[in-house]
Amino acid sequence: SAVISQKPSRDICQRGTSLTIQCQVDSQVTMMFWYRQQPGQSLTLIATANQGSEATYESGFVIDKFPISRPNLTFSTLTVSNMSPEDSSIYLCSARPESGFGEQFFGPGTRLTVL
Amino acid sequence: GNSVTQMEGPVTLSEEAFLTINCTYTATGYPSLFWYVQYPGEGLQLLLKATKADDKGSNKGFEATYRKETTSFHLEKGSVQVSDSAVYFCALSEDSGYSTLTFGKGTMLLVSP
Repeated sequence: SAVISQKPSRDICQRGTSLTIQCQVDSQVTMMFWYRQQPGQSLTLIATANQGSEATYESGFVIDKFPISRPNLTFSTLTVSNMSPEDSSIYLCSARPESGFGEQFFGPGTRLTVL
Repeated sequence: GNSVTQMEGPVTLSEEAFLTINCTYTATGYPSLFWYVQYPGEGLQLLLKATKADDKGSNKGFEATYRKETTSFHLEKGSVQVSDSAVYFCALSEDSGYSTLTFGKGTMLLVSP
C-alpha cells in the first residue's frame, strides 16, 4: 500500500485566482493521478502524471486550466487556474504502486470552494 | 470500452441487517476488481480486491466474489454497523501496466441504530 497526503485539505478562493494542490506519497511510484469529485458524484479522472513526461489529460480537461507538475517519484502538484464557481469540487490525488493489480491509493482530498 | 454499473442508492438498513450492493462490469480483457469505501469528508480507501475469476476478496467483514460468468462483483456483509455508513464504489482495472481505474457511480449506505 501507499500513504498519501495532500495540502491544503480545504480552501476558499476568489474567482479568477489560482490554487496549487500538493500531493506527497510515502514511496516511489511511477504513476500518479488527479481526480475531481463533485458533491454526491463519482470520481472523474483529470489526468495521469508520470515522472519524466508530460501529464496525459482526459477529454474535457486541458493543461492551461489544470497544469500538473511531477518533479520526482513521490510528489506531484495540480494547479486549478483562473477559477470560477464551477471549479468548486473535491480534488483527489492517487498513486498506483509498482507491484499490485492496478489498485490505486488515494489522498484525503482537497475541498475547494470558489466564490 | 470498460464500464462499471452499481445499484443506485441510498441503501438504508438497520444495524445487524444483511448487506448486498450489486456491481456488474464490462471489460475487454481480464480486469482486476475492487471495492472502495469513502467515509464522509474523507478520501477513498481500498476495501477489498479480487484479481481473477472465482477469487473472493474480503476485509472488515465485507466480501465480494469475482464472477466471470455473470460479470459481477457484488459486495456483501452479514451484519452491518452504523459505522459502515459510507459511499461504496466498485471499480475495475485492466491487466495492462498503464491502465487506469474505471469507477461505478457509487452507492450510499445508511445504517440506522
